Amino acid sequence: AQKITQTQPGMFVQEKEAVTLDCTYDTSDPSYGLFWYKQPSSGEMIFLIYQGSYDQQNATEGRYSLNFQKARKSANLVISASQLGDSAMYFCAMREGETSGTYKYIFGTGTRLKVLA
Amino acid sequence: KAGVTQTPRYLIKTRGQQVTLSCSPISGHRSVSWYQQTPGQGLQFLFEYFSETQRNKGNFPGRFSGRQFSNSRSEMNVSTLELGDSALYLCASSFSGGLTDTQYFGPGTRLTVL
Repeated sequence: AQKITQTQPGMFVQEKEAVTLDCTYDTSDPSYGLFWYKQPSSGEMIFLIYQGSYDQQNATEGRYSLNFQKARKSANLVISASQLGDSAMYFCAMREGETSGTYKYIFGTGTRLKVLA
Repeated sequence: KAGVTQTPRYLIKTRGQQVTLSCSPISGHRSVSWYQQTPGQGLQFLFEYFSETQRNKGNFPGRFSGRQFSNSRSEMNVSTLELGDSALYLCASSFSGGLTDTQYFGPGTRLTVL
């Protein structure tokens, strides 16, 4: 079974509008970390935002916020006021391993976002 | 603070050759991980090094190996290259590789095998 699922292979959003990128995860570990990365066409993975499993508040970083619903095991990324420069591939990732003792990052398959002018 | 650097950025090799990729982590970071990214397989974890020891390993053949030096710099070696090894190889560093540690990625090395 997929540990990280991103069901939207591609999305379009109009400039200045908000967009939500979906991510669901699967783990039995009580402690884990959830991350979002952006990968422009240049290839470099850029860290956007982090949410810990015990964090009570949803994480926010500027125009990025993470809609964390623990019971549903979802960690959706919300980008407000989209900009043309937001066009990129977005990856959801999870860091787990408390039970096994071997921490690994697990990445989803990504969502390609295109911002339209 | 300087980011993660990877050299070379681009590489062209032929089948059967071997290649060594280098990664310099962010200063103070002791955990270095390597990933292979291809259009078909996505982002796949290769291995992680911490304090010169391989701590985690993905499901790759033994042709893929790595090491980490005392200054935390890491190298990845691929021997007997195959066409399917053509990919973007990404290196990422974090402070300790702990559960809540954020990994920061380098720009990647794009390897083409002819």
